[in-house]
Order: sequence, then structure tokens, then C-alpha cells
Amino acid sequence: QQKVQQSPESLSVPEGGMASLNCTSSDRNFQYFWWYRQHSGEGPKALMSIFSDGDKKEGRFTAHLNKASLHVSLHIRDSQPSDSALYFCAASSNMGYKLTFGTGTSLLVDP
Amino acid sequence: EAGVTQSPRYAVLQEGQAVSFWCDPISGHDTLYWYQQPRDQGPQLLVYFRDEAVIDNSQLPSDRFSAVRPKGTNSTLKIQSAKQGDTATYLCASSWIYEQYFGPGTRLTVL
Repeated sequence: QQKVQQSPESLSVPEGGMASLNCTSSDRNFQYFWWYRQHSGEGPKALMSIFSDGDKKEGRFTAHLNKASLHVSLHIRDSQPSDSALYFCAASSNMGYKLTFGTGTSLLVDP
Repeated sequence: EAGVTQSPRYAVLQEGQAVSFWCDPISGHDTLYWYQQPRDQGPQLLVYFRDEAVIDNSQLPSDRFSAVRPKGTNSTLKIQSAKQGDTATYLCASSWIYEQYFGPGTRLTVL
């Protein structure tokens, strides 16, 4: 069983719209979460980390963490075609040294 | 600043053949990771090093896979006798504190 599940599997939003991605962990040892983005043919790139309950905003990206429910979300406002990519949630029990990646969400932003 | 570099970018081989992947991390990064990413899945950690020491290789199929980082800089991942199930992209990442920076990966196809 996957310890980090993501939903939806795929998502399509219009340019300028809001994209919302979800991630849930089944392991209470996971207290540190990351969002990574991977464009086709490239390695994943870290978007942001979130370690405390609540919201964290970086530009057009906002992450929300609820440690009690082990749920983390990522919201992308004003989505751009360049945001079209695979998005992975990654969880760790030691801030970032041993990451467990989720199943991924494929985002398509229609111009 | 140069990123993580990997070579080769692509490899195609028959079952039973051996293959090696090479990784040059970002200068100054003490921690180096190897991941396996099957198609349409998230990366899965195989092994990671701090300097030249193996910290965790619990997910490395030890009978056919091996990884070394002899001087604490570059690293090599080797598959002794490849199987079709090894078809995947092999990613190398490095970190200084806890954010991991990924290379572009080596896409391996085993026929």
C-alpha cells in the first residue's frame, strides 16, 4: 500500500484558473512535506516545503498542512501553461533526508 | 551554479547485461541520493550517502544493484544483470541541508 496518496490523478484547468492538488499520508511518522514539480524529460524540482500546520504561500503557490489528518494540499492560482507538469507530494520523518514520494498528479493548463 | 549532472541520458540493453550510471552532484553537497522512477510513478529511493558513507540502502536490490561514492563526490550506480522490470528512469539528487536537487535522470530500457 502506498504510504503517500495523491488526488486527483489528473487535472485540467484553464489558463488563469486555480488548480488544487491533494495529498494524504498513512504514516504518522511523516511530519515534513514537500511539493515537487516534474516537467517531461527533466528531474523533479522542489516547489516548496511545509513543516507546520496552516498555510504557506510562495508567489502563486499556497500549501496547506493539517498534521492531525496528515493531509497536505497545494493550490496554484493564476495557472499558466508552463505549470503543466507532474506534481509530487513527498513526505519525510526527518525533514528531507529520506523522502517518500506520492503517486503524482498530472496537471494540464489549457491556454 | 551547475546543477546535478548524470550520464548517460539514455541506455538500452538486453536482459542479463550490465549497466552503470554516473552522477556528479552540486559542488559542496554532502548528501547524494539515487532514485528509481518507473513510468508514470513517483521516484522511489534506492540508496543515499553522506560523504562516502552509505546511510540507507534498505531499498536497493542488493543481489544485482550496487552503488558507490568513493571520495564523497561523484557516484556510480551499477546493475549487474538487468531485468525487464528494471526499466525506469534512474535519478540522482544531492543536498546540503535538506532540499534535494535532482539531475535529469538516465532513462533505462531493458529489452
